[in-house]
Amino acid sequence: QSALTQPASVSGSPGQSITISCTGTSSDVGAYNYVSWYQQHPGKAPKLMVYEVSYRPSGVPDRFSGSKSGNTASLTISGLQAEDEADYYCSSHTTTTTWVFGGGTKLTVL
Amino acid sequence: QVQLQESGPGLVKPSETLSLTCSVSGDSISTYYWSWIRQPAGKGLEWIGRIYTSGSTNYNPSLKSRVTMSIDTSKNQFSLKLNSMTAADTAVYYCARGAYCTGGRCHFDYWGQGILVTVSS
Repeated sequence: QSALTQPASVSGSPGQSITISCTGTSSDVGAYNYVSWYQQHPGKAPKLMVYEVSYRPSGVPDRFSGSKSGNTASLTISGLQAEDEADYYCSSHTTTTTWVFGGGTKLTVL
Repeated sequence: QVQLQESGPGLVKPSETLSLTCSVSGDSISTYYWSWIRQPAGKGLEWIGRIYTSGSTNYNPSLKSRVTMSIDTSKNQFSLKLNSMTAADTAVYYCARGAYCTGGRCHFDYWGQGILVTVSS
């Protein structure tokens, strides 16, 4: 199984919106609505931010939203804040009952 | 609050077997699936595999020949063994709760802090 494709980096100014894409195949992202997104600050464990494409766990700000079209999922962060600066990873369930992650995207808040 | 804690050696010699344990508190290990995920320095996450209370497992095909997972419900712990270790296996290893798609939990919602495992002679 190949890793999902994410841009290596994105950036935005405080208050702006950014979108991170996550491209897979019909065997993972395109097969189910089981895409999740994780935020990871340096030296810390990943934190679940979005699950099942567009649902947010309790405590995650509604500035974080997810969507999917075909084999590509997206994470949008609106009203960027300094604390949003982190690495972001997407993940998808696959048709072979495994999970695959994206390569990660480094978000820089300018 | 669910908490997970990895334990095991931080240094493993090439060709040897890595053994890690994840201790779970705040929840019964009998209720969910539990996974191991790793991350080489400066790189992305890689799912290693998952185990259920019944002992049922699913492994990443790229690691399947070298991985064994087990679970001890009496201790609320689950474990990972990865044999024939090489430098390419040097990574931070995380244990996590998840995933079980049929149960509407097709994601990893709680993670341990991670343990750095270095493969070196």
